[in-house]
Amino acid sequence: AQKITQTQPGMFVQEKEAVTLDCTYDTSDPSYGLFWYKQPSSGEMIFLIYQGSYDQQNATEGRYSLNFQKARKSANLVISASQLGDSAMYFCAIYILTGGGNKLTFGTGTQLKVEL
Amino acid sequence: DTAVSQTPKYLVTQMGNDKSIKCEQNLGHDTMYWYKQDSKKFLKIMFSYNNKELIINETVPNRFSPKSPDKAHLNLHINSLELGDSAVYFCASSPQGADTEAFFGQGTRLTVV
Repeated sequence: AQKITQTQPGMFVQEKEAVTLDCTYDTSDPSYGLFWYKQPSSGEMIFLIYQGSYDQQNATEGRYSLNFQKARKSANLVISASQLGDSAMYFCAIYILTGGGNKLTFGTGTQLKVEL
Repeated sequence: DTAVSQTPKYLVTQMGNDKSIKCEQNLGHDTMYWYKQDSKKFLKIMFSYNNKELIINETVPNRFSPKSPDKAHLNLHINSLELGDSAVYFCASSPQGADTEAFFGQGTRLTVV
């Protein structure tokens, strides 16, 4: 069974600094997708970035980039130039096709606080 | 246009009651899910449906019964509610395949008193 581990329950970063949120995963399936979601205090789940297991290049979306190290099974999220609005819970997730269906498995999340 | 909408947003009810949460997606996706987020913010899949067919049931008590009348709708009915059912329930949908994100509804905060 696949597993996602986020070892940082909470992180602090100063405004305008970059921050890295850690994520490691474990799966025996060669084909998978890795996702990051943001959950602000209002509660909605906001998709940030996706990385496919066969993608050669690291994914980037604006200020978000995914540091994908396949051999280490890690998919860290890098947020550049942090803003106060980045304060939120961040979830890493892995998606694997299983038995014709599919399942998105989430990590336990990292609470990020951006300070002035 | 809301992509994935679930109702109600808040639900407060007494133990032992039966309640339903409705979910609809207008994205044309084949797959829909129910997730439960507990008080520690842990998100756990409950059910996955593909084209109205149940694909995944993650050892959820049979008091929880999903129903998918068509591929755009996935409702969740809960019988004999217990205090431990208090959580935020998210509906989500995605196309088939591992290369695109799941879209989430805004969540239903269920409080059992």
